[in-house]
Amino acid sequence: GDKVKQSPSALSLQEGTNSALRCNFSIAATTVQWFLQNPRGSLINLFYLVPGTKENGRLKSAFDSKESYSTLHIRDAQLEDSGTYFCAAEENYGNEKITFGAGTKLTIKP
Amino acid sequence: EAAVTQSPRNKVAVTGGKVTLSCNQTNNHNNMYWYRQDTGHGLRLIHYSYGAGSTEKGDIPDGYKASRPSQENFSLILELATPSQTSVYFCASGDAGYEQYFGPGTRLTVL
Repeated sequence: GDKVKQSPSALSLQEGTNSALRCNFSIAATTVQWFLQNPRGSLINLFYLVPGTKENGRLKSAFDSKESYSTLHIRDAQLEDSGTYFCAAEENYGNEKITFGAGTKLTIKP
Repeated sequence: EAAVTQSPRNKVAVTGGKVTLSCNQTNNHNNMYWYRQDTGHGLRLIHYSYGAGSTEKGDIPDGYKASRPSQENFSLILELATPSQTSVYFCASGDAGYEQYFGPGTRLTVL
């Protein structure tokens, strides 16, 4: 079964609009990481979260461990935001293994 | 800046052959990981290591071995490659309580 379920699986947006991506966990996630895989295939880490929120420029992420979900908000989407976004959850803090979701493919149109 | 490198970047192997994928990190991280990425899946953990001399089985270890001879190097070994092992392989490094840093990936094709 899917321990980490991402939605939507794909999303197409106009440049300048906002979006929200979501991860739901069927495991007791203790930490969450968000990554962007760019069109060249490189994986870039965006956020490392314990329960709470973080913000970096146009990106904001939240992790609610009690409700077992995490969100990634993208404000004022730009063409370079295109790619596949992955969330990954650590099940037991300190065991240092993470489980990935299947990803959300985001396409930003001019 | 974190640095994880992988070699080779592309590899074509024959069924039944031995393949070794290498990973080097200059971050001085204790943990290293090998994942594979297939269409429709996120990254799936094959093997990982907590430090030199340590290897642990991940979620899909069958058909793979790993070796961690030093803090910096972590290898993934396919003793008898099969076409089902055609995939993109990513190495990562990290420490407890911090994010993982990924290498650029190795595209392996087994014919």
